[in-house]
Amino acid sequence: AQTVTQSQPEMSVQEAETVTLSCTYDTSESNYYLFWYKQPPSRQMILVIRQEAYKQQNATENRFSVNFQKAAKSFSLKISDSQLGDTAMYFCAFIPLNYGGSQGNLIFGKGTKLSVKP
Amino acid sequence: KAGVTQTPRYLIKTRGQQVTLSCSPISGHRSVSWYQQTPGQGLQFLFEYFSETQRNKGNFPGRFSGRQFSNSRSEMNVSTLELGDSALYLCASSPGQALTDTQYFGPGTRLTVL
Repeated sequence: AQTVTQSQPEMSVQEAETVTLSCTYDTSESNYYLFWYKQPPSRQMILVIRQEAYKQQNATENRFSVNFQKAAKSFSLKISDSQLGDTAMYFCAFIPLNYGGSQGNLIFGKGTKLSVKP
Repeated sequence: KAGVTQTPRYLIKTRGQQVTLSCSPISGHRSVSWYQQTPGQGLQFLFEYFSETQRNKGNFPGRFSGRQFSNSRSEMNVSTLELGDSALYLCASSPGQALTDTQYFGPGTRLTVL
């Protein structure tokens, strides 16, 4: 079975500090895409960052960066200079690209609730 | 551009009834996906439509069905509602053919089954 595990149900960080959210996944496919999505309280879910498995270089988007360890099947999200607006549920997700290039389904972890404290 | 809209935002039904939820994607987007979000199971993929065709389907019973219209608007239907169907139903649209494209989510429809 293909799964995503986020081992930290809740985390908190002080404003301006750095925090890392963990994510591990399990798949037998060699090619896939990985994502971090953010769901602020009572607001719509938005994409934070994405990573293609065949790319070795870790993706970055402003204050957000990932540490992608393909062999370990690990995809952690680092948030630098945390801001109050970063308070949200963060979901790790991946979509496998099956043999022949067809897409599997988008599979989400259970989420990590991040609170940024002033 | 207007974002993804979902109607209604809140819905209360009783067991055994059926319900239809609607999703209007961002203008120009042709792919629409549906997800069920519950505290226990998290986010689970229901199905995805592209150009009126269902391309992917998650592991849900046949009571869950959907369709997409020629203007890319999509509806999902749940028949014979059960208490466990209480959830936030999210719709997401993307511009292209690939689920690996960035998906833009709507605010969701909160369904409560009594």
